[in-house]
Amino acid sequence: GAVVSQHPSRVICKSGTSVKIECRSLDFQATTMFWYRQFPKKSLMLMATSNEGSKATYEQGVEKDKFLINHASLTLSTLTVTSAHPEDSSFYICSASGLEGHTEAFFGQGTRLTVV
Amino acid sequence: GQNIDQPTEMTATEGAIVQINCTYQTSGFNGLFWYQQHAGEAPTFLSYNVLDGLEEKGRFSSFLSRSKGYSYLLLKELQMKDSASYLCAALDSNYQLIWGAGTKLIIKP
Repeated sequence: GAVVSQHPSRVICKSGTSVKIECRSLDFQATTMFWYRQFPKKSLMLMATSNEGSKATYEQGVEKDKFLINHASLTLSTLTVTSAHPEDSSFYICSASGLEGHTEAFFGQGTRLTVV
Repeated sequence: GQNIDQPTEMTATEGAIVQINCTYQTSGFNGLFWYQQHAGEAPTFLSYNVLDGLEEKGRFSSFLSRSKGYSYLLLKELQMKDSASYLCAALDSNYQLIWGAGTKLIIKP
């Protein structure tokens, strides 16, 4: 199967700082990448969908100025949490689709963000 | 509105069989996915059904009935490592994934 690498896996940051999370498709070109947030014991909440070279489409209720998404190439998308607050602490997961012959999206390992 | 329903939690015995049901209501339909998620980890893909019927992959099988808006994931010869959450997700007409809340499966010895 295809490999999607997400980095870092864990990050602790101070309140008010910004954190960047990377999502890379290692062996295929990801035409679309998805960013999710997951609270404990809850399902995945789609934050935004990004297509290479165009602006991300954010879901209702997600602040685009707070969660900056860049999909600069077919193998890399980044999520930057700006001016992080403790309530932004969560598990952030990316997924990528576009592998030829496959409809499913492949997930990165996830990033556990803790804002102190 | 769009909605996915699946049981919150199920318990089964090691070596037994368990069926996790999922019903969906979406604007259009382009397939249904099952993912497995262990605590603290990202989901991993299990199956994709777009046509009616049963698809078997080793110990795991997935069934779809489009007319009933219904799917199930069947797990056979349960192992302790199968303890996880199982997420059902439907792809709507815009190719957006609509996620269920997940079914936590507890396997007992």
